[in-house]
Amino acid sequence: NAGVTQTPKFQVLKTGQSMTLQCAQDMNHEYMSWYRQDPGMGLRLIHYSVGAGITDQGEVPNGYNVSRSTTEDFPLRLLSAAPSQTSVYFCASSTSTGGYEQFFGPGTRLTVL
Amino acid sequence: GNSVTQMEGPVTLSEEAFLTINCTYTATGYPSLFWYVQYPGEGLQLLLKATKADDKGSNKGFEATYRKETTSFHLEKGSVQVSDSAVYFCALITNTGNQFYFGTGTSLTVIP
Repeated sequence: NAGVTQTPKFQVLKTGQSMTLQCAQDMNHEYMSWYRQDPGMGLRLIHYSVGAGITDQGEVPNGYNVSRSTTEDFPLRLLSAAPSQTSVYFCASSTSTGGYEQFFGPGTRLTVL
Repeated sequence: GNSVTQMEGPVTLSEEAFLTINCTYTATGYPSLFWYVQYPGEGLQLLLKATKADDKGSNKGFEATYRKETTSFHLEKGSVQVSDSAVYFCALITNTGNQFYFGTGTSLTVIP
């Protein structure tokens, strides 16, 4: 099993550009989440999904969109990048039968100039 | 609301010293509690967990006990090694939802 994979690992954008961060998992987990990690602030939840076709907002959803068309994939879209979105982004998946233990991807380091 | 509070870092210890990282929580319902570790340049990995009061989670010499009366889940290790240098996150999930709540993380550096 590859676990949770994320692409790209690094990305530099200019203000106003759009892009999609990819996340995939091969563990058949029903729950998937996107977090951003900023110095001194820990991890903050952006969006999450409890299954294909179902998504909901977390703590900091503004400027981001998500969709969940399959169990495996959960892409995060930045509609119009802003310097405040410079961060490290982590995707995670979990399952209720596993006690909701979150399995994390390796992260995407995004810089918005 | 739900929240996790961890002791501020960074923490610097000499090899073989005793480690305690404090974690307290506020939660509705009956949460499960977790400690995650993040090594430089990597994602978070589960270190240990406890799902009900008085449970003790343990892994790689680390331990934490779920204390409902003090709403705490302090991380301890009797003798740290240089390889334990990382950032440690306390987290919870309530049994009424599927959102994780993370503390801000505590950076640990162990020097030889």
